[in-house]
Amino acid sequence: AQTVTQSQPEMSVQEAETVTLSCTYDTSESDYYLFWYKQPPSRQMILVIRQEAYKQQNATENRFSVNFQKAAKSFSLKISDSQLGDAAMYFCAYGSGGSNYKLTFGKGTLLTVNP
Amino acid sequence: DAGVTQSPTHLIKTRGQQVTLRCSPKSGHDTVSWYQQALGQGPQFIFQYYEEEERQRGNFPDRFSGHQFPNYSSELNVNALLLGDSALYLCASSLFTLYGYTFGSGTRLTVV
Repeated sequence: AQTVTQSQPEMSVQEAETVTLSCTYDTSESDYYLFWYKQPPSRQMILVIRQEAYKQQNATENRFSVNFQKAAKSFSLKISDSQLGDAAMYFCAYGSGGSNYKLTFGKGTLLTVNP
Repeated sequence: DAGVTQSPTHLIKTRGQQVTLRCSPKSGHDTVSWYQQALGQGPQFIFQYYEEEERQRGNFPDRFSGHQFPNYSSELNVNALLLGDSALYLCASSLFTLYGYTFGSGTRLTVV
């Protein structure tokens, strides 16, 4: 079974600074997807960024980028130029065709952005 | 374009009762997945419906059941409610795969 571990229950960052959230996972599959979701107090899970395991290039979406280390099974999220609106719970998730496209989530990291 | 719609948004039930939660998928999506998110935890997969059949099930008891209708909407039923069933229930829809996997805002269930 796949597992996802987020070792940082809470993180804080100053507005306009950069922060990195960590995620490790365990799987025996070679073809899979990794995701970072943001969950604000509104409760809706919002996709931040996704990475296909077969792609060597790290995914980037505006201020959000990932460092995908397949051999180390590590998938960290870097948020640049942090904004107050970035404050939320962030969840790392794993999915694959082998698991019929269900998502396995970590326990989350609560990000606080200080003005 | 309407996203995933869940109803109701909040619900309070008594132990032993039964509850039905509803989900309308995003337009064009054919697969609905349900997740349970306990307070302070990540979502846990309950089950997934595709072509009106349960395609996969997580580690949840038979008290949790579901249904998908021909218009792809879905229901989650929980029987004999326990205090531990109190959680945020999230519905997600997709087009068969993980592309476009979209979540609703959830139903907050409180069992007293």
